[in-house]
Amino acid sequence: QKEVEQNSGPLSVPEGAIASLNCTYSDRGSQSFFWYRQYSGKSPELIMFIYSNGDKEDGRFTAQLNKASQYVSLLIRDSQPSDSATYLCAVQPSSNTGKLIFGQGTTLQVKP
Amino acid sequence: GAGVSQSPSNKVTEKGKDVELRCDPISGHTALYWYRQSLGQGLEFLIYFQGNSAPDKSGLPSDRFSAERTGGSVSTLTIQRTQQEDSAVYLCASTGVSNQPQHFGDGTRLSIL
Repeated sequence: QKEVEQNSGPLSVPEGAIASLNCTYSDRGSQSFFWYRQYSGKSPELIMFIYSNGDKEDGRFTAQLNKASQYVSLLIRDSQPSDSATYLCAVQPSSNTGKLIFGQGTTLQVKP
Repeated sequence: GAGVSQSPSNKVTEKGKDVELRCDPISGHTALYWYRQSLGQGLEFLIYFQGNSAPDKSGLPSDRFSAERTGGSVSTLTIQRTQQEDSAVYLCASTGVSNQPQHFGDGTRLSIL
């Protein structure tokens, strides 16, 4: 079992729709969770982070965390073609060094 | 500078040569991380620095890889006797406190011929 799992996609949604990206993790002691967006040929860009169970909203983005189910998700409302990218889920395991364990990423395609 | 700075942006070298990659973190950030992103493996942790010490080197793939950090700032990642499987994008990230979000540099794309 991989430490952090994501569906590689591609996930295709029409412009204006809600895109839902999911991630599961294996280390039950993990405390911090991050979503990065990566455009082709570019480095990862932080878009959301969440530490507590529940929802956290920032503009069109909502991160959701359920530690009991070891599940974290990212919702993108009113998806735009510019949101087309690979979305990386990253988890800090309980080792406390702060290193990130990344999923393989989900490719999102937003079609005009 | 405002962000994490890495150099060179691209490096092409022959198999067997040594290479040095440089990372200049965001000013004041005490935690620095090196990661590697390759097609088959995704984004993998290599090493973590807190100040000048490296409490977690668990991701370094072999003893050909080493890293240091001086003055609590600039870090260099050295790969000796490069192999073709070392071809990847090497990314550096920094943060002020280890559990806070990490910000990545633009990376060094390393190609081994």
